Amino acid sequence: DGGITQSPKYLFRKEGQNVTLSCEQNLNHDAMYWYRQDPGQGLRLIYYSQIVNDFQKGDIAEGYSVSREKKESFPLTVTSAQKNPTAFYLCASSTGGTSYQPQHFGDGTRLSIL
Amino acid sequence: GQQVMQIPQYQHVQEGEDFTTYCNSSTTLSNIQWYKQRPGGHPVFLIQLVKSGEVKKQKRLTFQFGEAKKNSSLHITATQTTDVGTYFCAGPLTGGGNKLTFGTGTQLKVEL
Repeated sequence: DGGITQSPKYLFRKEGQNVTLSCEQNLNHDAMYWYRQDPGQGLRLIYYSQIVNDFQKGDIAEGYSVSREKKESFPLTVTSAQKNPTAFYLCASSTGGTSYQPQHFGDGTRLSIL
Repeated sequence: GQQVMQIPQYQHVQEGEDFTTYCNSSTTLSNIQWYKQRPGGHPVFLIQLVKSGEVKKQKRLTFQFGEAKKNSSLHITATQTTDVGTYFCAGPLTGGGNKLTFGTGTQLKVEL
C-alpha cells in the first residue's frame, strides 16, 4: 500500500539531546512537510520541501532542522535549542506544484521530554 | 500575516443533531480544503472547493465556499458517533506555492 510512514510512534528526549524523527513516503510525491500540533491546537508548519535537495523554513522553524537527500525521505531533527519540544509531530506529502493538491499525512510521532 | 480562523472551537451535540463549523480567512483564497482528524489520529483530506459560491456534498456532509472566497462552512446533518473528531479547513498561503495555512479547528463531540 502507498503511504507515509513515521517512526517512532513515541519518543522521549532528555535535556540537551537532539532527536531525529523519521518520515518516509512511497507515494512518489515531490513535496513534503513537517507540522507541529499542540494539544487542542491546529497544525503549524515547521519546514517544507518542494523538491529533493531543497527545503524552506515554515512558521516555527527555530530549534528544528531537516534534510531532503532522497525524494522518499524527509527527516526532522529536534535540536536542544528547541526548549519546548513536547508535541505531536506530523509529516505530510503532496504531489506538489500548486496548493490544489491535497496533503497526505503519516500517523505522527509524539515527542515528550524526560 | 495570513490567518485562518474557525468557529466554534468546540461543539458538543446529541446524536442526530446537526453541526456546522465556519472557516474565515483574512485574505481571499484560491481554494479551500477540509480535513478531519479523529482522536489520536492524523488529519485526513475530505474535500476541496475552488469556485466562488461552490457547494459540494458527501452523504451527510455539505461544504460551501463563500462568494468572496474568504469563508467556508462544513455542515453535518444528523450527526453520528462516527463524526467525532476535529475538523480543519486549510487554505493556500499568499505567494506560498503549495503551502497551506490550517485553521484552528473545530472539535466535535457527539453524545448518545
